[in-house]
Amino acid sequence: DAGITQSPRHKVTETGTPVTLRCHQTENHRYMYWYRQDPGHGLRLIHYSYGVKDTDKGEVSDGYSVSRSKTEDFLLTLESATSSQTSVYFCAISPGQGVYEQYFGPGTRLTVT
Amino acid sequence: SQQGEEDPQALSIQEGENATMNCSYKTSINNLQWYRQNSGRGLVHLILIRSNEREKHSGRLRVTLDTSKKSSSLLITASRAADTASYFCATAPLISGGSNYKLTFGKGTLLTVNP
Repeated sequence: DAGITQSPRHKVTETGTPVTLRCHQTENHRYMYWYRQDPGHGLRLIHYSYGVKDTDKGEVSDGYSVSRSKTEDFLLTLESATSSQTSVYFCAISPGQGVYEQYFGPGTRLTVT
Repeated sequence: SQQGEEDPQALSIQEGENATMNCSYKTSINNLQWYRQNSGRGLVHLILIRSNEREKHSGRLRVTLDTSKKSSSLLITASRAADTASYFCATAPLISGGSNYKLTFGKGTLLTVNP
């Protein structure tokens, strides 16, 4: 999967607890993205990063925050998880500089009970 | 809101037949891409077509783009059981700066190729 890993791969948590998902890349790509995938909605962008400490919101950013302190790591945090955040989360990377293709990680299945 | 919308939502064909999926979008684009997702896996990039291109080929894949109609089609020829997957179109907006590296995905077409 193009040198991109996600951890954990599966997580079950309770409503109201904080959760952090990690995306790690070994490709030195500039752009990193977090998506969620839900039945009937396809993939929706949560947040993305265009460099270290440079992030921006996506389509469904409410309830999520991100951080990127190193090129290789992009963290997604649910400050207080809700059942509506039960989903499959995908991280993706892209080189930028005129290259628009994105390469996806294997996904994290998150269940909030 | 979704930029790309695939049609049909689901398609079932026999091995050896051709499969055609369509994508419509709403705003001006820099490029349009197609991705495949096997069940339980991440998406895999298939092909990219730029806004100034009308047709592109890659192996058994043929993509067309009609910017006047804001639509694209993906044709898979001589399909195989291994082509069974969901297929998504994604559009990159025609704007300057880093935001044109944001993709907006459609909801996908589920293709089933029966042996």
